[in-house]
Amino acid sequence: GAGVSQSPSNKVTEKGKDVELRCDPISGHTALYWYRQSLGQGLEFLIYFQGNSAPDKSGLPSDRFSAERTGGSVSTLTIQRTQQEDSAVYLCASSLVGGTVADTQYFGPGTRLTVL
Amino acid sequence: AQSVTQLDSHVSVSEGTPVLLRCNYSSSYSPSLFWYVQHPNKGLQLLLKYTSAATLVKGINGFEAEFKKSETSFHLTKPSAHMSDAAEYFCVVSDMVAQKLVFGQGTRLTINP
Repeated sequence: GAGVSQSPSNKVTEKGKDVELRCDPISGHTALYWYRQSLGQGLEFLIYFQGNSAPDKSGLPSDRFSAERTGGSVSTLTIQRTQQEDSAVYLCASSLVGGTVADTQYFGPGTRLTVL
Repeated sequence: AQSVTQLDSHVSVSEGTPVLLRCNYSSSYSPSLFWYVQHPNKGLQLLLKYTSAATLVKGINGFEAEFKKSETSFHLTKPSAHMSDAAEYFCVVSDMVAQKLVFGQGTRLTINP
C-alpha cells in the first residue's frame, strides 16, 4: 500500500520567509510524528500527534515552529521567519496506534529545506 | 531519559565479509530498540526491532541484532556484506514517556569491492 508521503521534496527559501511542509500519513495510522535531520544535530524529534489528543510539542526548537493535523490525517509543519539554521531535512513518520514503545514508525522520504 | 550511542561513525568492510555495527543503549526501563537504514537520498527504512520477546531479532536483507541486557548492547550484524548494504544505519530507542524515537548519531557503512 501507499507509504508516508511528503511535499515538497525540496524547498529553497530566503531568510525571513515562511514555509509550509506537508505530510500525508499511511491511511488508518492514528499517530503522526515530525523529526528534523541536520548535519550538526543528527535526527531530532519535533512534535507528535495522537488521535484527537493535544500534540506533544516538546521538541519544537522555537516558537517560529508550529504544526497542525487536520481531520486526524494530513499534517502541516510551518516555519515562520526562517533562519539559515533551519536548513535540514524534515521527516514525517506515522504509526498505527502510537502510545506504545513497540509501535513501529514508518517514515516518509523527507523535505529538504534550504534557507539562503 | 533514554539514549543510544553508536560506537563507530564509519565502518568499512569488503564485499562478502561480515558486518558488525555497534550500539549501546541507556534506559531506565525495558526498552524497545530498532535499527533503521537510510540509503542516499532515500527515506528511513526499518531493518528490525526488539520488543522484549526473543533476544535475537532477525530483520530484512539478512541483518540480525542481539539484545544483551547485561551489556546494554544491541549490535547489528550480517554474515556477508553486499554492495547494496552501503548506507547510513541508525540505532534507535523508543522513549515511552515522550512517545518519540531517540536516534543514535548513525554509522556510515561502506562496502569495498
